[in-house]
Amino acid sequence: AQSVSQHNHHVILSEAASLELGCNYSYGGTVNLFWYVQYPGQHLQLLLKYFSGDPLVKGIKGFEAEFIKSKFSFNLRKPSVQWSDTAEYFCAVNGGGSYIPTFGRGTSLIVHP
Amino acid sequence: NAGVTQTPKFRILKIGQSMTLQCTQDMNHNYMYWYRQDPGMGLKLIYYSVGAGITDKGEVPNGYNVSRSTTEDFPLRLELAAPSQTSVYFCASTSTSGSSYEQYFGPGTRLTVT
Repeated sequence: AQSVSQHNHHVILSEAASLELGCNYSYGGTVNLFWYVQYPGQHLQLLLKYFSGDPLVKGIKGFEAEFIKSKFSFNLRKPSVQWSDTAEYFCAVNGGGSYIPTFGRGTSLIVHP
Repeated sequence: NAGVTQTPKFRILKIGQSMTLQCTQDMNHNYMYWYRQDPGMGLKLIYYSVGAGITDKGEVPNGYNVSRSTTEDFPLRLELAAPSQTSVYFCASTSTSGSSYEQYFGPGTRLTVT
C-alpha cells in the first residue's frame, strides 16, 4: 500500500521568509503527485501537480515543487511567503494509474506579517 | 459550473440520530469520494464511487453508507450518529477522461455529534 509522509506538521514563518515543505511517498511504480491547499474555513484546492516531464513544476501563487524520483520526494517551495499563504497544505499521491489518492496528514503554515 | 456542492454546511446531531449529507457535482465526473478530516489527521477516505450504481469502501467506512443512483449525486448516510463521527466531511470528484486525476472538492460539512 502506498503512504505519504509530510515531515513538518506545523510551520511558523515571517513574511518574506522562504518556505520548503517536505513530502515523501512510498510507491515503487509510476506516480502522479499533487499539492493541495486549504485556506482557513475553505475547501481544498489544487496548488500544483506532477504527471510526467519536467520534474520542477510551477503552480499558482508562486509555489513550485520538485519531483526527485530517487528520493521518492515531492517538496513544495516558495521563495518568499506572504501572510495570505497561511493555510494547511496537503501532499497527495496517486500510484499506478489509480484514481484513489493517498493524502499526507497535512502541514499547517502560519505566516506572521 | 457550480462544481461540487454540499449541504448542509453545519449540523449538530444527538447521539443515535441519523442524517444524510448531500453532495452534487455538475462536471459529469465519474469518480466521487467522501472524506472526513480530523485535526492533524489529514483526509481519510470513507467511501468512493467509480460511477452510477457502483460504490466501494475506503479506509474508514464503519458507521456510514452511500449510494450513487446518478452521475451527479453521491449522498453519505449516517445511521446512528456517534461522537466519534464529529468531523468535517468533504465530498470530491474526479474525471477519468483525459489524464488530469485532479480532485475537485466541495466546501465541506461540519458535523458535531453530542
